[in-house]
Parts: sequence; structure tokens; C-alpha cells
Amino acid sequence: DSGVTQTPKHLITATGQRVTLRCSPRSGDLSVYWYQQSLDQGLQFLIQYYNGEERAKGNILERFSAQQFPDLHSELNLSSLELGDSALYFCASSYGNTIYFGEGSWLTVV
Amino acid sequence: AQSVAQPEDQVNVAEGNPLTVKCTYSVSGNPYLFWYVQYPNRGLQFLLKYITGDNLVKGSYGFEAEFNKSQTSFHLKKPSALVSDSALYFCAVRVPLTGTYKYIFGTGTRLKVLA
Repeated sequence: DSGVTQTPKHLITATGQRVTLRCSPRSGDLSVYWYQQSLDQGLQFLIQYYNGEERAKGNILERFSAQQFPDLHSELNLSSLELGDSALYFCASSYGNTIYFGEGSWLTVV
Repeated sequence: AQSVAQPEDQVNVAEGNPLTVKCTYSVSGNPYLFWYVQYPNRGLQFLLKYITGDNLVKGSYGFEAEFNKSQTSFHLKKPSALVSDSALYFCAVRVPLTGTYKYIFGTGTRLKVLA
């Protein structure tokens, strides 16, 4: 168990809808990272937060947004969903020099 | 540009044989290097890391990795492969970002250990 908690584990929704994925980092970790893993694709970095502030953006679509709250949990909001957004979304956290991943949220858009 | 390369999409090895999964990197300075493993329908699990010191680092499940600065490589190794080692392996490098760090991952190598 990495200590990073993600909810929900599975989610099925229709095209055009909006979903929110939640991440609780390991206790004391200030950095939160979001990644997307699609079938046959590697790990795509989406966005990073550090102590509530956005620090880096990767290949995140404009339809997606995220935030990190004062209690350090983070949410990834995905809107106007398309079939191609179906993927495994990972949250990870770090404090020291190692990044630890949650089990992911499986999103299926139908 | 900073990058991590895993040149093999898939590596097949017979059970009991030694295995190597390759990783090379292109970053400035002295990077921190990592290996992660992903089993089906699971998150990435940390295996091992190199920060400084001995070029051979040992990690979980009998895995080890060799850091080679001149070749900018960090290959993952195991002396005797198990069928249960079959999984997707990711190499990663940590690089500085203003006030924090970012992690760059390779594209992953699927390891198949054949009984």
C-alpha cells in the first residue's frame, strides 16, 4: 500500500458529462501529480501541485482542470468527456525524493 | 530536452534466466533515477532508486539496477527471472523544477517471463 488514496476506483459515464476524481496524498506529502495512462500508451503527465499551488503542466487538455486544497487533497475535473478520455488516471505524491502512486481511477466514457 | 528512453517495448525471458530491462536518460546534472513496476490493473509500485554512491542499487523482489554515468544508462536487472515478474516496467528520472521537482517517465517495457 503506497498510502496514496484515489476515488472512485471505477467510473463509467456518458460522453459530454463531467466527472471529478479525488486523490488523498500520503500523510505529509506536499506534492501531488496527476497522470493519464491510456491503452497502449505510456504515462502522460497532466499536472503537478505543490502545497496548493500549480507547479507544472503537461499534456493536460483545456477541458481538464485540477486543484489542490488546503488539506492537500487534490481533485481532477474532466468535462465535456469524449470517448478518447477513457483511461486510467493516476495520482501520485511525494515529499522526499521518491514519488508514490495510487491505484488509479478507471474512467470509461461510453 | 530532458528525456528517458526505454528502447524495448517488450522483453521475453525464460524463467530462471537473468533479465535486463534497459533505460537511458538525457538530463543535465546528476539525476535521481527510479524504476517502477506495474502489474495488471494496478498502480505503479516503486522498485528502487539511485541517488548517489554505489552504482549498483538493490531493490524490491530481488531486482537491482546498474547506474552508468558515462553511458547515461540505468538498466534494471535480476539474476533469475520468475513468471510472477511479468509486468510493465517504467524507468523515471527526477529533475529540478522551480521550488520542487518533476518526474519524467519512459514509455515502459513489458516483461514476459516464460515458464
